[in-house]
Amino acid sequence: SQQGEEDPQALSIQEGENATMNCSYKTSINNLQWYRQNSGRGLVHLILIRSNEREKHSGRLRVTLDTSKKSSSLLITASRAADTASYFCATASVDSWGKLQFGAGTQVVVTP
Amino acid sequence: NAGVTQTPKFQVLKTGQSMTLQCAQDMNHNSMYWYRQDPGMGLRLIYYSASEGTTDKGEVPNGYNVSRLNKREFSLRLESAAPSQTSVYFCASSLVGGHGYTFGSGTRLTVV
Repeated sequence: SQQGEEDPQALSIQEGENATMNCSYKTSINNLQWYRQNSGRGLVHLILIRSNEREKHSGRLRVTLDTSKKSSSLLITASRAADTASYFCATASVDSWGKLQFGAGTQVVVTP
Repeated sequence: NAGVTQTPKFQVLKTGQSMTLQCAQDMNHNSMYWYRQDPGMGLRLIYYSASEGTTDKGEVPNGYNVSRLNKREFSLRLESAAPSQTSVYFCASSLVGGHGYTFGSGTRLTVV
């Protein structure tokens, strides 16, 4: 069963626009992570936010975490064509040692 | 190049055949994982190894076995392949459980 569910499933934007995707999860977590997957490639770790953090930035990425609502969002500012990829949230649950559970992902297409 | 190396990249098997997927990491990570990725379902954990000498089942272990050969290598074996095992298989590693994973580039397996 999937712990995280991303919304929307697909997102199409133009270069320069911001892209926002959301992740909801079910159980208490130690941390939540976001990964990117380019077509036909492995996943790449983008950012990790701990359960006691509310917001984190990394370059053009901004992640928020609301543990009371069991949700997170990933914002990519000033999108580029190279940001075209699938984005996955993954949760490290309190009661499930070290094993990340992944959602089904959001497919983002950025057109020039 | 530092990272996670998977072999082979592509494989076609006939139903009932066996094969071993190889994975090696050179980042001195303690934990290693095998996931499968199917369309629309995200990644599902097959087996993991918290540290050298230990292995444990994940969400979908049936039909698979694993060996943590040493700290670097973690192999996945299909004893009698079935069409339901057609998938893309990813190996990943992390310094400690539940933190950022480094993924290999995947093995695309087709069972006919």
